[in-house]
Amino acid sequence: DTEVTQTPKHLVMGMTNKKSLKCEQHMGHRAMYWYKQKAKKPPELMFVYSYEKLSINESVPSRFSPECPNSSLLNLHLHALQPEDSALYLCASSQPADEQFFGPGTRLTVL
Amino acid sequence: GENVGLHLPTLSVQEGDNSIINCAYSNSASDYFIWYKQESGKGPQFIIDIRSNMDKRQGQRVTVLLNKTVKHLSLQIAATQPGDSAVYFCAENTGGFKTIFGAGTRLFVKA
Repeated sequence: DTEVTQTPKHLVMGMTNKKSLKCEQHMGHRAMYWYKQKAKKPPELMFVYSYEKLSINESVPSRFSPECPNSSLLNLHLHALQPEDSALYLCASSQPADEQFFGPGTRLTVL
Repeated sequence: GENVGLHLPTLSVQEGDNSIINCAYSNSASDYFIWYKQESGKGPQFIIDIRSNMDKRQGQRVTVLLNKTVKHLSLQIAATQPGDSAVYFCAENTGGFKTIFGAGTRLFVKA
């Protein structure tokens, strides 16, 4: 299985809602990533988990809260988001310093 | 600071011709470079990579060239096909888990 899956595919939420994005991989990768991608822009790194521990937080606002329950799962908890947080949220996984495998993304719209 | 960029935002080629997509990077300490292809509505897909101890690497119809002297990376696609139409990102790995993406080049293939 060389696939990274993400759910949901689309999400619309209000600024007072709490929602979660989910990501799963079964390739035995020890690193998992969250990226944010705005239209016509490159992916921007948000968080990196390595060996289930948060190793990189790119100064992401606290309204985004990552969680890595186990080596195959990665969640991104969302609370009190702003309209400018609307974007494609990509999950990826890899072995250290190796190619990253990306999921299809969750298209998030904040109203 | 760290910066990975592309010389051209768009590239239009005739089907069957060769395509060359260029990328400049500024961090001389980077030792791993990756090219990703992103089609509309999908996550980035790995194409080819190269480590800093090499200057050329070939795959199926694709070749990556690395010139460390001028901090330049290029992706060559032979016999470009309509299915190659996408946005192409070069990415720079600064060691460990952090990968920085360039701005991207949109490739249009004319039939």
